[in-house]
Amino acid sequence: DAGVTQSPTHLIKTRGQQVTLRCSPKSGHDTVSWYQQALGQGPQFIFQYYEEEERQRGNFPDRFSGHQFPNYSSELNVNALLLGDSALYLCASSLAMNIYGYTFGSGTRLTVV
Amino acid sequence: GENVEQHPSTLSVQEGDSAVIKCTYSDSASNYFPWYKQELGKRPQLIIDIRSNVGEKKDQRIAVTLNKTAKHFSLHITETQPEDSAVYFCAAIPNAGGTSYGKLTFGQGTILTVHP
Repeated sequence: DAGVTQSPTHLIKTRGQQVTLRCSPKSGHDTVSWYQQALGQGPQFIFQYYEEEERQRGNFPDRFSGHQFPNYSSELNVNALLLGDSALYLCASSLAMNIYGYTFGSGTRLTVV
Repeated sequence: GENVEQHPSTLSVQEGDSAVIKCTYSDSASNYFPWYKQELGKRPQLIIDIRSNVGEKKDQRIAVTLNKTAKHFSLHITETQPEDSAVYFCAAIPNAGGTSYGKLTFGQGTILTVHP
């Protein structure tokens, strides 16, 4: 199944550190979106990448940055980690011309201590 | 921007009963409304969706209704089973298929528990 894959699945970091999360989109998809899901909450949109550019951004500080590579895979970087950054980070892929085919990965559980 | 409110936050039913979860949205430009089921520690999975050009959609035991005038949409699960127990999220996308880039705005979620 060529679904959305994320790595790592779990991660523990210390306050102030930096972290990089990775996502490979579903085969055939060209757009990657990142969401943060705090415990007991709905996912919150961080940003979306298409054609290697950030196309849309949610209400997140500049400490959150990303990148998309020519093979459509993507990275999410978070600098100067805060305790409040602890969450499940979800990657979702879709086609730019067909957003109805949104597919989520299983997420990366980030714990900041 | 879009704001989606979801109720109730928790719902407990007996096996075989029906369950209804309701959402309201604020952006009249929203025209695509997916529902996701998320089991503990797993990814959100799309269970049904509706576009604004229809008022109701059904898939076996699951149905979704949309009232564009009132800006609300609901998920209906009939003949509930214990395996339906999960967190359910509604979501909305404005201008889907047009100028939107597919940014999902989610509700806060409903924890559904189906007792055998």
